[in-house]
Order: sequence, then structure tokens, then C-alpha cells
Amino acid sequence: RKEVEQDPGPFNVPEGATVAFNCTYSNSASQSFFWYRQDCRKEPKLLMSVYSSGNEDGRFTAQLNRASQYISLLIRDSKLSDSATYLCVVNEFNNAGNMLTFGGGTRLMVKP
Amino acid sequence: SQTIHQWPATLVQPVGSPLSLECTVEGTSNPNLYWYRQAAGRGLQLLFYSVGIGQISSEVPQNLSASRPQDRQFILSSKKLLLSDSGFYLCAWSGLATRIYEQYFGPGTRLTVT
Repeated sequence: RKEVEQDPGPFNVPEGATVAFNCTYSNSASQSFFWYRQDCRKEPKLLMSVYSSGNEDGRFTAQLNRASQYISLLIRDSKLSDSATYLCVVNEFNNAGNMLTFGGGTRLMVKP
Repeated sequence: SQTIHQWPATLVQPVGSPLSLECTVEGTSNPNLYWYRQAAGRGLQLLFYSVGIGQISSEVPQNLSASRPQDRQFILSSKKLLLSDSGFYLCAWSGLATRIYEQYFGPGTRLTVT
């Protein structure tokens, strides 16, 4: 079983649509959670950190359910520029340092 | 502000040739540093991490090695490249200057082994 699982997509949505991505993780000791965005042939860039109470940043809302080990990202009013791969990332901080485990990513394509 | 640099941006190397990729971080001290590889259409795989000068930990067995000769410099090397070493190599950093252990990535090196 993969440690962090995501639906690879692609999700094809029209401009203005609302789209949601889900992610499950297997390590109950995970402490911090993130969504990264990766454009084609570029490095991943941090989109949002996910707080236990859920958090919102403009059109983006992230939620965490520790009991179900589930993370979600909601994008409202999709823009063409939102087209990218969205990576669910789980952090575990141990004696070795700060380790991130990445999901395989969910590809989003926003169409005009 | 902090910045992270990687070079070269792209590299084409024959099988059996050596490799040296460099990563440097500016604007912070004593960062944790990481090397990842992303194969085509695949997720990110952690290769090495370092919590200080000369301290390297490896996550997967391979023909690659890493070194940290200076606080803000991280080098990925190989003596003899394999075809399977092709991929997108990403360096990342985290530290006291980041929030909640977030990691920030450099622009990456795209390596093609022929």
C-alpha cells in the first residue's frame, strides 16, 4: 500500500468550476500536511500548509481529517492558470529530521 | 529572503560517465538539505538528506552519493551513470526560517542518460 495515495486524474473541468482533490495517508504518526503544485517540467511549489482546523487561502480550501487519515483540497472558480499537478504531501519529523512523503499527484486541466 | 540554486538546468550524459550536480542555498544558516529524484510521470523519491556539514543519510540503495562540504552546499554525484539514473533531480531545503517544517525546492536538473 502506498503511504500517500491520490487519484492521478486527469480532472478536466471548465473555467469557473469547483473541483476537489482527495488524499489518504497511511502513517498515523504524520504531523504536518501540505499541498504542493507542480507545473509541467518545473519544481513543486508549496501551495498550502494544511492545519488541523482546516484553512482557506482565497479560492483554495484545505481540510484534514486525522481520524480517517484523509486530506482534501478544494479549488473554487477554477482558472486556466490552475492547470497543474497537485501533490499531497505528508510530513513526519523524527530524529533524522524533517521527512516528506509525496503522493503521486493529481493532474488538473482547466478548459476555457 | 532565502533562495535555492541548482545547476546545471539540463544535462545529457552517456552511460558510464560521472555525474556532479550542485545545489546551494542563500539567506539561511544550517538548513536541512534534501535530494529527490522524479522519474518521468512518477512521484518524488527522496534520495539523500543532510542535517549538517558532512552528515548524509541515504534513503535508497543506488549508485549515487551525496556530500555536503559547506553549510549551504549539497552535491549529488555518481562515478558511473546508468540508464535508470535519468530523471528530474530536485534539491530542497528546510529549516528554522521555514514554517512548520515546509520544504522549498530548487529549479531542478533534468538528466538524460543515453
